[in-house]
Amino acid sequence: GQNIDQPTEMTATEGAIVQINCTYQTSGFNGLFWYQQHAGEAPTFLSYNVLDGLEEKGRFSSFLSRSKGYSYLLLKELQMKDSASYLCASMDSNYQLIWGAGTKLIIKP
Amino acid sequence: GAVVSQHPSWVICKSGTSVKIECRSLDFQATTMFWYRQFPKQSLMLMATSNEGSKATYEQGVEKDKFLINHASLTLSTLTVTSAHPEDSSFYICSARSGGRDTGELFFGEGSRLTVL
Repeated sequence: GQNIDQPTEMTATEGAIVQINCTYQTSGFNGLFWYQQHAGEAPTFLSYNVLDGLEEKGRFSSFLSRSKGYSYLLLKELQMKDSASYLCASMDSNYQLIWGAGTKLIIKP
Repeated sequence: GAVVSQHPSWVICKSGTSVKIECRSLDFQATTMFWYRQFPKQSLMLMATSNEGSKATYEQGVEKDKFLINHASLTLSTLTVTSAHPEDSSFYICSARSGGRDTGELFFGEGSRLTVL
Protein backbone atom coordinates (compact mmCIF):
# COMPACT_ATOMS: atom_id res chain seq x y z
CA GLY A 1 0.00 0.00 0.00
CA GLN A 2 0.90 3.65 -0.15
CA ASN A 3 1.84 5.40 3.05
CA ILE A 4 3.31 8.67 4.25
CA ASP A 5 4.51 9.07 7.85
CA GLN A 6 5.43 12.28 9.60
CA PRO A 7 5.23 13.36 13.25
CA THR A 8 1.91 14.75 14.40
CA GLU A 9 3.28 17.70 16.31
CA MET A 10 6.60 19.39 17.09
CA THR A 11 7.56 22.30 19.30
CA ALA A 12 10.54 24.61 18.80
CA THR A 13 11.85 27.94 20.04
CA GLU A 14 11.94 31.19 18.09
CA GLY A 15 15.34 31.63 16.44
CA ALA A 16 16.20 27.94 16.61
CA ILE A 17 16.35 25.22 13.94
CA VAL A 18 13.85 22.40 13.51
CA GLN A 19 13.84 19.34 11.24
CA ILE A 20 10.58 17.69 10.22
CA ASN A 21 11.01 14.13 8.95
CA CYS A 22 8.88 12.26 6.45
CA THR A 23 9.05 8.65 5.29
CA TYR A 24 7.11 7.43 2.30
CA GLN A 25 6.08 4.29 0.48
CA THR A 26 4.37 4.84 -2.86
CA SER A 27 3.74 2.95 -6.07
CA GLY A 28 6.46 4.49 -8.18
CA PHE A 29 7.99 7.84 -7.37
CA ASN A 30 7.91 11.16 -9.18
CA GLY A 31 9.02 13.53 -6.49
CA LEU A 32 8.49 14.62 -2.90
CA PHE A 33 6.71 17.85 -1.97
CA TRP A 34 6.55 19.96 1.15
CA TYR A 35 3.67 22.37 1.73
CA GLN A 36 2.97 24.83 4.52
CA GLN A 37 -0.56 25.32 5.75
CA HIS A 38 -1.72 27.91 8.25
CA ALA A 39 -4.94 27.14 10.08
CA GLY A 40 -8.00 27.74 7.92
CA GLU A 41 -5.97 28.49 4.81
CA ALA A 42 -4.99 26.54 1.72
CA PRO A 43 -1.53 24.95 1.57
CA THR A 44 1.31 26.87 -0.06
CA PHE A 45 4.13 25.19 -1.97
CA LEU A 46 7.53 25.10 -0.22
CA SER A 47 9.72 22.62 -2.08
CA TYR A 48 9.97 19.79 -4.57
CA ASN A 49 12.73 17.15 -4.57
CA VAL A 50 13.09 14.44 -7.18
CA LEU A 51 16.86 13.84 -6.95
CA ASP A 52 18.80 12.80 -3.85
CA GLY A 53 20.34 15.58 -1.86
CA LEU A 54 19.65 18.88 -0.21
CA GLU A 55 17.78 21.78 -1.82
CA GLU A 56 18.21 25.09 -0.04
CA LYS A 57 15.78 27.97 -0.40
CA GLY A 58 16.35 30.77 2.06
CA ARG A 59 15.55 29.72 5.61
CA PHE A 60 13.97 26.48 4.38
CA SER A 61 15.83 23.44 3.05
CA SER A 62 14.53 20.06 1.94
CA PHE A 63 16.42 16.78 1.72
CA LEU A 64 15.62 13.58 -0.13
CA SER A 65 16.99 10.04 -0.03
CA ARG A 66 15.13 7.90 -2.54
CA SER A 67 16.86 4.68 -1.48
CA LYS A 68 15.62 5.18 2.08
CA GLY A 69 12.20 6.60 1.18
CA TYR A 70 13.02 9.53 3.43
CA SER A 71 12.83 13.29 3.32
CA TYR A 72 13.13 16.12 5.77
CA LEU A 73 12.26 19.79 5.85
CA LEU A 74 14.73 21.98 7.73
CA LEU A 75 13.63 25.36 9.02
CA LYS A 76 16.29 27.76 10.28
CA GLU A 77 16.04 30.99 12.28
CA LEU A 78 12.50 30.14 13.26
CA GLN A 79 9.98 32.96 13.40
CA MET A 80 6.61 33.01 15.11
CA LYS A 81 4.92 33.15 11.69
CA ASP A 82 6.40 29.71 10.93
CA SER A 83 3.84 28.20 13.29
CA ALA A 84 1.77 26.11 10.89
CA SER A 85 1.19 22.60 9.69
CA TYR A 86 3.76 21.18 7.28
CA LEU A 87 2.50 18.62 4.82
CA CYS A 88 4.70 16.04 3.13
CA ALA A 89 3.38 14.56 -0.13
CA SER A 90 4.83 11.98 -2.50
CA MET A 91 3.90 11.84 -6.17
CA ASP A 92 3.35 8.31 -7.38
CA SER A 93 3.76 6.76 -10.82
CA ASN A 94 0.35 8.14 -11.89
CA TYR A 95 1.44 11.65 -10.92
CA GLN A 96 -1.03 11.60 -8.05
CA LEU A 97 -0.03 13.20 -4.77
CA ILE A 98 -0.18 10.97 -1.70
CA TRP A 99 -0.47 13.23 1.33
CA GLY A 100 0.80 12.83 4.86
CA ALA A 101 -1.43 13.96 7.72
CA GLY A 102 0.79 16.95 8.39
CA THR A 103 3.07 18.02 11.24
CA LYS A 104 1.80 20.83 13.42
CA LEU A 105 4.76 23.03 14.33
CA ILE A 106 4.41 25.18 17.43
CA ILE A 107 6.91 28.01 17.88
CA LYS A 108 7.47 29.36 21.38
CA PRO A 109 9.08 32.73 22.18
CA GLY B 1 4.11 32.32 -8.79
CA ALA B 2 0.96 31.44 -10.68
CA VAL B 3 -2.40 32.45 -9.19
CA VAL B 4 -5.42 30.27 -8.63
CA SER B 5 -8.60 31.95 -7.43
CA GLN B 6 -11.44 30.13 -5.74
CA HIS B 7 -14.94 31.49 -5.10
CA PRO B 8 -16.81 31.73 -2.82
CA SER B 9 -14.56 31.64 0.24
CA TRP B 10 -17.45 30.98 2.60
CA VAL B 11 -20.89 29.59 1.91
CA ILE B 12 -23.72 28.61 4.22
CA CYS B 13 -26.67 26.78 2.77
CA LYS B 14 -29.72 24.83 3.83
CA SER B 15 -29.82 21.08 3.65
CA GLY B 16 -31.07 19.85 0.28
CA THR B 17 -29.80 22.79 -1.76
CA SER B 18 -26.92 22.76 -4.26
CA VAL B 19 -23.78 24.82 -4.05
CA LYS B 20 -21.34 25.67 -6.85
CA ILE B 21 -17.67 26.47 -6.20
CA GLU B 22 -15.49 27.98 -8.92
CA CYS B 23 -11.76 27.53 -9.41
CA ARG B 24 -9.95 29.80 -11.86
CA SER B 25 -6.34 29.92 -12.99
CA LEU B 26 -5.78 33.65 -13.48
CA ASP B 27 -2.48 33.86 -15.32
CA PHE B 28 -1.92 30.45 -16.84
CA GLN B 29 -3.83 27.73 -18.63
CA ALA B 30 -4.49 24.60 -16.66
CA THR B 31 -5.47 21.46 -18.53
CA THR B 32 -5.70 19.66 -15.22
CA MET B 33 -7.20 20.85 -11.97
CA PHE B 34 -7.66 18.95 -8.74
CA TRP B 35 -10.39 19.12 -6.13
CA TYR B 36 -9.68 18.28 -2.50
CA ARG B 37 -11.67 18.10 0.68
CA GLN B 38 -10.27 18.64 4.14
CA PHE B 39 -12.02 17.83 7.39
CA PRO B 40 -10.82 19.54 10.57
CA LYS B 41 -7.37 18.42 11.72
CA GLN B 42 -7.03 16.00 8.83
CA SER B 43 -4.96 16.01 5.68
CA LEU B 44 -6.18 16.97 2.26
CA MET B 45 -8.14 14.26 0.50
CA LEU B 46 -8.15 14.20 -3.27
CA MET B 47 -11.71 13.98 -4.53
CA ALA B 48 -11.28 14.13 -8.27
CA THR B 49 -9.05 15.18 -11.13
CA SER B 50 -10.66 17.59 -13.52
CA ASN B 51 -9.54 17.50 -17.15
CA GLU B 52 -10.46 20.24 -19.60
CA GLY B 53 -12.92 19.04 -22.19
CA SER B 54 -13.47 15.59 -20.70
CA LYS B 55 -15.08 13.87 -17.76
CA ALA B 56 -13.51 14.17 -14.35
CA THR B 57 -11.75 11.21 -12.77
CA TYR B 58 -13.14 10.53 -9.32
CA GLU B 59 -11.32 8.88 -6.44
CA GLN B 60 -12.73 5.76 -4.89
CA GLY B 61 -15.57 6.48 -2.52
CA VAL B 62 -16.41 9.88 -3.98
CA GLU B 63 -19.94 10.04 -5.41
CA LYS B 64 -19.76 11.50 -8.89
CA ASP B 65 -23.49 12.26 -8.96
CA LYS B 66 -23.21 14.24 -5.76
CA PHE B 67 -20.03 16.14 -6.55
CA LEU B 68 -20.40 17.36 -10.12
CA ILE B 69 -17.24 18.66 -11.74
CA ASN B 70 -17.13 20.65 -14.94
CA HIS B 71 -13.93 21.85 -16.60
CA ALA B 72 -15.30 23.79 -19.54
CA SER B 73 -12.26 25.91 -20.28
CA LEU B 74 -8.52 25.97 -19.66
CA THR B 75 -8.95 28.48 -16.85
CA LEU B 76 -12.13 27.38 -15.07
CA SER B 77 -13.27 24.29 -13.22
CA THR B 78 -16.42 24.13 -11.08
CA LEU B 79 -17.46 21.79 -8.30
CA THR B 80 -21.18 21.54 -7.56
CA VAL B 81 -22.25 19.86 -4.33
CA THR B 82 -25.76 18.65 -5.11
CA SER B 83 -28.45 18.16 -2.46
CA ALA B 84 -26.02 19.14 0.26
CA HIS B 85 -26.33 17.65 3.74
CA PRO B 86 -24.64 18.60 7.02
CA GLU B 87 -22.04 15.85 6.58
CA ASP B 88 -20.89 17.64 3.41
CA SER B 89 -19.75 20.58 5.53
CA SER B 90 -16.03 20.83 4.93
CA PHE B 91 -13.20 22.87 3.48
CA TYR B 92 -12.99 22.39 -0.29
CA ILE B 93 -9.76 23.33 -2.07
CA CYS B 94 -8.83 23.31 -5.74
CA SER B 95 -5.40 23.28 -7.29
CA ALA B 96 -3.99 23.54 -10.77
CA ARG B 97 -0.74 22.44 -12.28
CA SER B 98 1.29 25.09 -14.03
CA GLY B 99 3.62 23.88 -16.75
CA GLY B 100 4.32 20.32 -17.80
CA ARG B 101 3.32 17.37 -15.63
CA ASP B 102 6.96 16.59 -14.89
CA THR B 103 7.47 19.80 -12.93
CA GLY B 104 4.63 18.89 -10.66
CA GLU B 105 4.27 22.23 -8.95
CA LEU B 106 0.74 22.81 -7.81
CA PHE B 107 -0.88 26.13 -7.06
CA PHE B 108 -3.81 26.16 -4.70
CA GLY B 109 -6.93 28.24 -4.51
CA GLU B 110 -7.83 29.99 -1.29
CA GLY B 111 -10.30 27.30 -0.33
CA SER B 112 -14.06 27.37 0.19
CA ARG B 113 -15.57 26.61 3.55
CA LEU B 114 -19.02 25.04 3.16
CA THR B 115 -21.43 24.86 6.07
CA VAL B 116 -24.68 23.00 5.52
CA LEU B 117 -27.36 23.69 8.08
